[in-house]
Amino acid sequence: QITLKESGPTLMKPTQTLTLTCTFSGFSLTTNRVGVGWIRQPPGKALEWLALIYWDGDKRYSPSLKSRLTITKDTSKNQVVLTMTNMDPVDTATYYCAHARSWYGYYFDDWGQGTLVTVSS
Amino acid sequence: DIQMTQSPSSLSASVGDRVTITCRASQSINSYLNWYQQKPGKAPNLLIYAASNLHSGVPSRFSGSGSGTDFTLTISSLQPEDFATYYCQQSFTTSLTFGGGTKVAIK
Repeated sequence: QITLKESGPTLMKPTQTLTLTCTFSGFSLTTNRVGVGWIRQPPGKALEWLALIYWDGDKRYSPSLKSRLTITKDTSKNQVVLTMTNMDPVDTATYYCAHARSWYGYYFDDWGQGTLVTVSS
Repeated sequence: DIQMTQSPSSLSASVGDRVTITCRASQSINSYLNWYQQKPGKAPNLLIYAASNLHSGVPSRFSGSGSGTDFTLTISSLQPEDFATYYCQQSFTTSLTFGGGTKVAIK
């Protein structure tokens, strides 16, 4: 059974750096054609993909946010960490991590519960 | 980026209705198209991957079709638990993108 859980701050001030941790179980991030991604959803709005780290260590970022994002993995701890710099109120959203599987590209077949991050002065 | 456009953005339907949701890509994405269902306050759940493959545990009343730029998600007989928001997602490029969502409400 695959499980993922996001952790990190719930309230941030503008210009701060957000660090979110995804702790997972039930799979290994060294398994071929597997990844962990981050997706966010502002209140009442659509899903937005942020970043994906692959089983082989390769990384991909949303072009619109690439300059602000860093994704890393710690295979021994079964964790993936996302950092986002220079937070702004428009970054207020629920942030999800999800297990990604490759078949005709990568899709997300297991998700964490999400964590709401509010950015306010 | 490949833009994904869903239509309609919302619809009202009754239990037992056949419902069709459309997703259009801004360029051809072959069959690299996935569908998710999201209920209020919950994480999305995968329904369909690679345009037409039903994810494990998903009821057979859900089906997906299409290739190239135009795709559809069909619910053959809407059930009370199907009232939710549905999203498409393209995986043709490594820069993944989601559609804007379609909210299915009770008529």
